[in-house]
Amino acid sequence: NAGVTQTPKFQVLKTGQSMTLQCAQDMNHEYMSWYRQDPGMGLRLIHYSVGAGITDQGEVPNGYNVSRSTTEDFPLRLLSAAPSQTSVYFCASSRTNQNYGYTFGSGTRLTVV
Amino acid sequence: QQQVKQSPQSLIVQKGGISIINCAYENTAFDYFPWYQQFPGKGPALLIAIRPDVSEKKEGRFTISFNKSAKQFSLHIMDSQPGDSATYFCAAVRLSGNQFYFGTGTSLTVIP
Repeated sequence: NAGVTQTPKFQVLKTGQSMTLQCAQDMNHEYMSWYRQDPGMGLRLIHYSVGAGITDQGEVPNGYNVSRSTTEDFPLRLLSAAPSQTSVYFCASSRTNQNYGYTFGSGTRLTVV
Repeated sequence: QQQVKQSPQSLIVQKGGISIINCAYENTAFDYFPWYQQFPGKGPALLIAIRPDVSEKKEGRFTISFNKSAKQFSLHIMDSQPGDSATYFCAAVRLSGNQFYFGTGTSLTVIP
């Protein structure tokens, strides 16, 4: 049982480049989300999904897109990377409406130069 | 508006001492108050959680104290160990809609 798997673990992008952060879970969780973690800011919600085909914006969605074509996968796309998007990104999943316990992936450290 | 405020930002404790991290929340309509523990290079992991109708919950050396009237809750780590050195996040959760509000985190260092 792998839990939540994120790839890549590290990435360096140039300003203006695009990329996709991958997230997959094998727990059949309905709810998946993306957070970014910055020093002194805690965890801020970027986008979330309550099930396949359904996504919504979180607190800091600008510059990011998501899609949820399957229950297992929830990729995060950076459309045109900016230095302000330098951060550590975490994907998390849980059962909807019945669990206070997120399962987090191990994170992707992204640097935009 | 920040729903959950956490303090201190960093904490240094001697081995065997008690570590205390505090959180305060703004809204009364939360269902759970979990704490997450994060080691360097890893994602946060659920440590312990409490419901608002309970004043205290203990799991091993970790205890949550909850004060509903003051809208405050705290994590106490008894007999702190160097292996407890990590970042701790409190959160307030509204189950309907899976709404999580995280504190800004506390970096705990336990000195041998």
